Amino acid sequence: DAGVIQSPRHEVTEMGQEVTLRCKPISGHNSLFWYRQTMMRGLELLIYFNNNVPIDDSGMPEDRFSAKMPNASFSTLKIQPSEPRDSAVYFCASSSGESQPQHFGDGTRLSIL
Amino acid sequence: GNSVTQMEGPVTLSEEAFLTINCTYTATGYPSLFWYVQYPGEGLQLLLKATKADDKGSNKGFEATYRKETTSFHLEKGSVQVSDSAVYFCALILNQAGTALIFGKGTTLSVSS
Repeated sequence: DAGVIQSPRHEVTEMGQEVTLRCKPISGHNSLFWYRQTMMRGLELLIYFNNNVPIDDSGMPEDRFSAKMPNASFSTLKIQPSEPRDSAVYFCASSSGESQPQHFGDGTRLSIL
Repeated sequence: GNSVTQMEGPVTLSEEAFLTINCTYTATGYPSLFWYVQYPGEGLQLLLKATKADDKGSNKGFEATYRKETTSFHLEKGSVQVSDSAVYFCALILNQAGTALIFGKGTTLSVSS
């Protein structure tokens, strides 16, 4: 079975540029989560969706960050404009319900120069 | 508030040593508890879980028992291997709508031969 698929795996770009991270959840899962992981702050929940609707976006750091889930099989996390402090590994995860175990993708390693 | 506290790492062990990684939690209500493992360069994987008091989760030689009286979910393994080197995350989720996993900060385990 295909797991959670994230793209790209690696992204290097200059500050000020727009960055779009993509996620395809496991088919049939109706909850989707975006996380950011850094050495300093550990694993942070940015936002999560249930049935394509954002439930909690309190972890989104600034207005520069936005996330969408236009349908059950696709989500994006966008940073515009990007800054060096946004450099991190961004993970997407999905589950069959809010209280169910989450399945993680392999992450996108983002470097903002 | 709801939170998870893990012992700080890194934990450094020799192969075949006994492993304990402590995890305690604070939660309103009755959470489900999880251990996730993150191998280098990968996303988090569910290792084991327990959904009610006195449940024991187990997988790949790892065990953890849900102790309501001590609000703990310590991870143990009788004989670690070099391949167990990874970061281990304890997490909880409240069994109610509108909530998501709450992770501890992670504990790095390094096993040498």
